[in-house]
Amino acid sequence: GAGVSQSPSNKVTEKGKDVELRCDPISGHTALYWYRQRLGQGLEFLIYFQGNSAPDKSGLPSDRFSAERTGESVSTLTIQRTQQEDSAVYLCASSPDGNSPLHFGNGTRLTVT
Amino acid sequence: AQSVTQPDIHITVSEGASLELRCNYSYGATPYLFWYVQSPGQGLQLLLKYFSGDTLVQGIKGFEAEFKRSQSSFNLRKPSVHWSDAAEYFCAVADTGRRALTFGSGTRLQVQP
Repeated sequence: GAGVSQSPSNKVTEKGKDVELRCDPISGHTALYWYRQRLGQGLEFLIYFQGNSAPDKSGLPSDRFSAERTGESVSTLTIQRTQQEDSAVYLCASSPDGNSPLHFGNGTRLTVT
Repeated sequence: AQSVTQPDIHITVSEGASLELRCNYSYGATPYLFWYVQSPGQGLQLLLKYFSGDTLVQGIKGFEAEFKRSQSSFNLRKPSVHWSDAAEYFCAVADTGRRALTFGSGTRLQVQP
């Protein structure tokens, strides 16, 4: 595709429910990142995948958060037992390798009620 | 760990005036430095990057930034601001080992006619 695609674009869920957010990176990009952006704040790093290396999970805020990536393609970010403080825009980005600038998707806006 | 500080949360300039957005970073070695712009309803777009070499880098849309090692700064400048430049601007740093970007909290630019 032309760019990084994220789905859904908007998600409203009830507190305590699980959600899955999807990211389709640009074809051929080996590096994939997830960030969280709370309202009025900067981007908070969550997790980073690079090829077949073990992912850098150092940014995940709790064990309710997890992410998977199938090879060098789709990634899914899962949030279990959502809380209101999880409400944010979740941004995915990819790059050709770990040294190149990131290409961002438009994000998934998650609202936990 | 690296960190990025953008001291100005909100800046208002008149159209046609010059602009400087401040960014200071904390990192032990020479980092990779970036500026991204986030326009309303759009994803993040890379404006420019610094990896090495000439400390004054040119970007898209007439922006430039200067890396000053002695001041640990990477300030973004534009000689004449256009109304379409109104957006949120994020400075980011990546260490050469970790690759995942650390973002500042952003500066919101408002342009007055």
